[in-house]
Amino acid sequence: AQKITQTQPGMFVQEKEAVTLDCTYDTSDPSYGLFWYKQPSSGEMIFLIYQGSYDQQNATEGRYSLNFQKARKSANLVISASQLGDSAMYFCAMRETGGFKTIFGAGTRLFVKA
Amino acid sequence: DAGVIQSPRHEVTEMGQEVTLRCKPISGHDYLFWYRQTMMRGLELLIYFNNNVPIDDSGMPEDRFSAKMPNASFSTLKIQPSEPRDSAVYFCASSFFSVADMGTQYFGPGTRLLVL
Repeated sequence: AQKITQTQPGMFVQEKEAVTLDCTYDTSDPSYGLFWYKQPSSGEMIFLIYQGSYDQQNATEGRYSLNFQKARKSANLVISASQLGDSAMYFCAMRETGGFKTIFGAGTRLFVKA
Repeated sequence: DAGVIQSPRHEVTEMGQEVTLRCKPISGHDYLFWYRQTMMRGLELLIYFNNNVPIDDSGMPEDRFSAKMPNASFSTLKIQPSEPRDSAVYFCASSFFSVADMGTQYFGPGTRLLVL
């Protein structure tokens, strides 16, 4: 069965520093996709980045990159040069090819300090 | 193109009343999802549609919940009768399946429901 684990309920980072948010997953399907979403205090869910299980390179989108380690089943989100506006809840999610259900982790709340 | 549109953004109602939440997906998207988010249970998938047809409603909590998608540009989630434990944020999301991104879902702003 699919499972997503985010072990860090909350994290602090200094403005302009990089931060890594952890995500591990479990699946028996060889083909799957991994996603990260941001939920600021205003409540909307914002798609950040996607990584496919067969992608050879780690995904990057601006200041966001996904550190994909397939053998370890981890898909950590790296935010470079943190900004105050990065303070939010971050969710890791996964979808297997076999179905369209996407499961979400419990989330990590990131606080960026000035 | 406009994103996913949900209405109302906030809803306060009394226990026993009927509540209808509305969603307009992104044009061209063929999948539509309804989620519920609470502090205790996190983000839960309630139901999803493909080409207006319900595919999986196993997440719908009970018979008080129903969802419809009469056409490609509109869906409703109805709770009748509502109960205080239904208080949550309800999200609608839509996607278009492609191999490139596994059908990334794009979320609406959510409806904050409070049942008194």
